[in-house]
Amino acid sequence: GQQLNQSPQSMFIQEGEDVSMNCTSSSIFNTWLWYKQDPGEGPVLLIALYKAGELTSNGRLTAQFGITRKDSFLNISASIPSDVGIYFCQGGGSEKLVFGKGTKLTVNP
Amino acid sequence: NAGVMQNPRHLVRRRGQEARLRCSPMKGHSHVYWYRQLPEEGLKFMVYLQKENIIDESGMPKERFSAEFPKEGPSILRIQQVVRGDSAAYFCASSTNVEGASGYTFGSGTRLTVV
Repeated sequence: GQQLNQSPQSMFIQEGEDVSMNCTSSSIFNTWLWYKQDPGEGPVLLIALYKAGELTSNGRLTAQFGITRKDSFLNISASIPSDVGIYFCQGGGSEKLVFGKGTKLTVNP
Repeated sequence: NAGVMQNPRHLVRRRGQEARLRCSPMKGHSHVYWYRQLPEEGLKFMVYLQKENIIDESGMPKERFSAEFPKEGPSILRIQQVVRGDSAAYFCASSTNVEGASGYTFGSGTRLTVV
């Protein structure tokens, strides 16, 4: 089945730093989605990407759909303490949507 | 415009009891997914349902676990004869279409503790 490799597994950064995380796969996907899970809550959709090469921003967040359709990255600029949480990528193809294992972000004030 | 509603939020069961987890999808969503999450781990797919149909249950343990999404009422994830290893957060998500191309809307989860 389709699998996603999400990296890094965890990140510890200082407030104000920029963050970058990515997802890769050996399979081609038609959509890439990024979610954030706050502690004790369910994941919430941040950004959805539908076209290869697409670059989309949502406030301090920017995500791109890789040209090969096998990868995507998420950048967070000027991190703040409330960015803490687990970030999941999700790839959509001909089969069911698949989640990465998540990147746990810790922001030190 | 309520989102995905899960209840109870927390559930404590003794070993051997039954656990029933409920999920009402977002209005207009006919596709429901259940995921399990252990502390510090990712989301593990369990089952995908549409009204009155189980579409994909490849992530469900073969024994003690069952799921339904009746014509009327919420989706139910049922765990019979719970064991300590069933302790986890169980999340329900819903979407409007089969590929979930618009993304999933998640509930806040049910945290099951087996004592």
